[in-house]
Amino acid sequence: DAMVIQNPRYQVTQFGKPVTLSCSQTLNHNVMYWYQQKSSQAPKLLFHYYDKDFNNEADTPDNFQSRRPNTSFCFLDIRSPGLGDAAMYLCATSRVGSGSGANVLTFGAGSRLTVL
Amino acid sequence: AQSVTQLGSHVSVSEGALVLLRCNYSSSVPPYLFWYVQYPNQGLQLLLKYTSAATLVKGINGFEAEFKKSETSFHLTKPSAHMSDAAEYFCAVTPFSGGYNKLIFGAGTRLAVHP
Repeated sequence: DAMVIQNPRYQVTQFGKPVTLSCSQTLNHNVMYWYQQKSSQAPKLLFHYYDKDFNNEADTPDNFQSRRPNTSFCFLDIRSPGLGDAAMYLCATSRVGSGSGANVLTFGAGSRLTVL
Repeated sequence: AQSVTQLGSHVSVSEGALVLLRCNYSSSVPPYLFWYVQYPNQGLQLLLKYTSAATLVKGINGFEAEFKKSETSFHLTKPSAHMSDAAEYFCAVTPFSGGYNKLIFGAGTRLAVHP
């Protein structure tokens, strides 16, 4: 089945130790998003790629970076994780265009980050 | 700017009872509206969407929602709750832009279903 896969599902890191989360998709969607969801809160958009164009949200900390080497993969890099970065990180994709499935986000299962 | 308000962070119903989860939106342009469900330690799954066609939208698992422009509401309902409906529900809005969507989520409503 076409889907959005996130790895790892659970990541434990130490304070200040860089971490990378990955997202892959078989949907061939041109937009990929990263959301941060803290406990009992709504998902908050960090940034997104429209094809190769990177779009950062104004309030996303510099500590968070992203790479999209090709259509299928997108990475979230946290350069120096702090305790406040512990959260679920959700990857999503969407297809720009027309038709019933267009412009609807499909989410991965998420990567839960714990910072010790 | 777009925003969503979900009234009630926790809702508890009996199995078999009506489920009503409330969502009000604010949008300066015609919105697209969505309901997503999230089970523990899982991603978000689309329940249903409103994209300016029929105002009554039917989704998966017996859920439906009605877009009421006069009330700026998009409440989610299900006639009879099942134990498996216990989850977190998020209402989301995005402006109809003809392009890609950046969803703005509400704070979520946790639904508990008891026997």
